[in-house]
Amino acid sequence: QQQVRQSPQSLTVWEGETAILNCSYEDSTFDYFPWYWQFPRESPALLIAIRPVSNKKEDGRFTIFFNKREKKLSLHITDSQPGDSATYFCAASYSGTYQRFGTGTKLQVVP
Amino acid sequence: NSKVIQTPRYLVKGQGQKAKMRCIPEKGHPVVFWYQQNKNNEFKFLINFQNQEVLQQIDMTEKRFSAECPSNSPCSLEIQSSEAGDSALYLCASSLEENTEVFFGKGTRLTVV
Repeated sequence: QQQVRQSPQSLTVWEGETAILNCSYEDSTFDYFPWYWQFPRESPALLIAIRPVSNKKEDGRFTIFFNKREKKLSLHITDSQPGDSATYFCAASYSGTYQRFGTGTKLQVVP
Repeated sequence: NSKVIQTPRYLVKGQGQKAKMRCIPEKGHPVVFWYQQNKNNEFKFLINFQNQEVLQQIDMTEKRFSAECPSNSPCSLEIQSSEAGDSALYLCASSLEENTEVFFGKGTRLTVV
């Protein structure tokens, strides 16, 4: 049972465009939603995270938009750069349990 | 940069052989997780610890997999009898507390031939 779903599976954008990565979840008790990025042959690293007390979290060019009612969130990457090319994972957890991961969106930013 | 240390980086075992990998969590992090990431990028949670105590583990872990986090020693994950389907990247991660940021090690890539 996939508790965290991501779309699209892969995404290609031009340098300077905004990339939008989507995530949805099933368990309404999840209260921590981190996004990780993973470069080839590297391990995942935290990019940005949000808790449901807010519906938006911004860090530089990266913004999470969160819709608790619909159990959806999205990661927006503005002014995309070739160095942003990676696989992005959405995860979710609640107190006392481990993080569940989506299967990732592979982003390619073309110069 | 993560300070979670995993060894070895690469491990090749024959079917039926034992495979053991180690993890030193980031200093001061009492919570340790083990995940398996397969070639389709799917993360499968295996087990987690708080200090030396098991918090949660999945059924798979209870059968052929064993793990421990002894005090003052590296954590370890061992597969008693490796199968081809165990070929994956095994990621260890640690955190200060549950339900917060986790820091991943570089992983141990296991190939079972």
